[in-house]
Amino acid sequence: AQKVTQAQTEISVVEKEDVTLDCVYETRDTTYYLFWYKQPPSGELVFLIRRNSFDEQNEISGRYSWNFQKSTSSFNFTITASQVVDSAVYFCALNTGFQKLVFGTGTRLLVSP
Amino acid sequence: KAGVTQTPRYLIKTRGQQVTLSCSPISGHRSVSWYQQTPGQGLQFLFEYFSETQRNKGNFPGRFSGRQFSNSRSEMNVSTLELGDSALYLCASSSTGGGQETQYFGPGTRLLVL
Repeated sequence: AQKVTQAQTEISVVEKEDVTLDCVYETRDTTYYLFWYKQPPSGELVFLIRRNSFDEQNEISGRYSWNFQKSTSSFNFTITASQVVDSAVYFCALNTGFQKLVFGTGTRLLVSP
Repeated sequence: KAGVTQTPRYLIKTRGQQVTLSCSPISGHRSVSWYQQTPGQGLQFLFEYFSETQRNKGNFPGRFSGRQFSNSRSEMNVSTLELGDSALYLCASSSTGGGQETQYFGPGTRLLVL
């Protein structure tokens, strides 16, 4: 069975602080895909990044960076110099190829000015 | 390209009624998936359609059904509504529905069952 765990329910930071959102996944498949989505108050899930199980190269995109480690089954997401606009719920998701995403429970990030 | 669109955005129904939600995928996308989001259960997969065929279904009762049309637009129907069906229903589309593909989500339909 596939499972995604986001142990952090809510994180509060002050603007300009760095924050890391944790994601741990479980799957027996050797080929799988990991995703991060952002859900602002409007409700729409906004795609942030996709990683496949064969690509452990970490990625940086502006203030966002992702750390994928197969050895610990983790796919963590870091926001550098957080901004108020980063306030949202962030979801980590797993897809093993059966047309469905398995989501974690989400981490609510509150960035205060 | 226009994104995924969903109609209606908000809906209020009473127990026992039925409801139909609509989803138009991104142009060229042939796979449409539906998800239910509730505070208690989180985001859960309902079903996925490709070329008018349901390929995968989540663990939901038969009251939840869907279909896809030849233009890839999809509808989902919930019959005999229950209070617990109150949720945000999200539709997502991708090119062919492969696991490696990114699913792009619409704004959702907020359903309130009274």
